[in-house]
Amino acid sequence: EVQLVESGGGLVKPGGSLRLSCAASGFTFSSYSMNWVRQAPGKGLEWVSSISSSSSYIYYADSVKGRFTISRDNAKNSLYLQMNSLRAEDTAVYYCARELGRVLDVWGQGTTVTVSS
Amino acid sequence: EIVMTQSPATLSVSPGERATLSCRASQSVSSNLAWYQQKPGQAPRLLIYGASTRATGIPARFSGSGSGTEFTLTISSLQSEDFAVYYCQQYNNWPFTFGQGTKVEIK
Repeated sequence: EVQLVESGGGLVKPGGSLRLSCAASGFTFSSYSMNWVRQAPGKGLEWVSSISSSSSYIYYADSVKGRFTISRDNAKNSLYLQMNSLRAEDTAVYYCARELGRVLDVWGQGTTVTVSS
Repeated sequence: EIVMTQSPATLSVSPGERATLSCRASQSVSSNLAWYQQKPGQAPRLLIYGASTRATGIPARFSGSGSGTEFTLTISSLQSEDFAVYYCQQYNNWPFTFGQGTKVEIK
């Protein structure tokens, strides 16, 4: 079964840091680009970042550029999102999603990040 | 950045009726348009990609159409499990952008 499981969310103070992880199983992780998408409470979906299969291409939303870093470890079938200088507006459920032909075809269940003092 | 605008914000439909959801792009995205369904407390699920191709396992009552800047998602006969929020997303240009969503509720 194709599966993505996020972890690492939690409560953090403004200005703090957090590292999210996404464990992939059931498919050849190293063959796919991967993405992070977030959803603020009661709001819509916002694409955050994308990384190609070999990490050659990386993209960020302007709202997180310079603060967030996406990475992956193909040997561990894992995707990461290092989040620094967190702000209240970064509060959201963060989903990892597999990218197939630029389409987000498989999503994890999400991990919740709350930025509050 | 391409802005995606969905209408209406909320659609009230009776079970068995047809639902038509619209999505407009601020500039052409060709056919690089996907639709997702999201139920409360769940992750989004891919329904349609390439504007009109159903994803694996998606029932035939879901259909997509359009190209360029105007797109439509049609649910031919609403089932109870179809009441949810639907998002369109363009993947023609970076950054990927989503519409604000259309909530399909029971009338």
